[in-house]
Amino acid sequence: AQTVTQSQPEMSVQEAETVTLSCTYDTSESNYYLFWYKQPPSRQMILVIRQEAYKQQNATENRFSVNFQKAAKSFSLKISDSQLGDTAMYFCAFMNTDKLIFGTGTRLQVFP
Amino acid sequence: NAGVTQTPKFQVLKTGQSMTLQCAQDMNHEYMSWYRQDPGMGLRLIHYSVGAGITDQGEVPNGYNVSRSTTEDFPLRLLSAAPSQTSVYFCASRPGHVNTEAFFGQGTRLTVV
Repeated sequence: AQTVTQSQPEMSVQEAETVTLSCTYDTSESNYYLFWYKQPPSRQMILVIRQEAYKQQNATENRFSVNFQKAAKSFSLKISDSQLGDTAMYFCAFMNTDKLIFGTGTRLQVFP
Repeated sequence: NAGVTQTPKFQVLKTGQSMTLQCAQDMNHEYMSWYRQDPGMGLRLIHYSVGAGITDQGEVPNGYNVSRSTTEDFPLRLLSAAPSQTSVYFCASRPGHVNTEAFFGQGTRLTVV
């Protein structure tokens, strides 16, 4: 069975600084996809970034980028130039053909 | 576009009562899933469906039933509610091929007393 582990329950960062959220996963599959979702206080789930396992190039979306280490089964999210609106829960997620499995989440607080 | 619609948004049940959480999507998505979100536990998969007439168990299926008679609807039934089922429930849908974004409903906050 696949598992997703987020070892940082809470993180904080000052506005305009950079923060990295960690995620590791376990799977025996070779073809899968990884995602980071954001959940602000509104409870809405928002896709931040996605990575295809067969692509070596790390995905980037504006201020958000990932460090994907397939051999280490690691998928960290870097947020550059943090903004107050980045305050939210962040979930790492693993997807295979059928299932989308989430980690336990990291609560990120951005301070002015 | 309505997207994924969950009803109700809030519900209080007494222990032993049954109820159905409704989920409907208007995007013709093949895949639909139910999750529960609890503090410190993230989103855990309850049941999922890869198409009409096909359902399977996720990580925490006990106490819940599902069916998928149409592409649009994927109701979650609590047969005999227990306080341990107090949670926020999310329904999600996505197209059938992999690497597609999952779309989530707004969630249902359920309290069992």
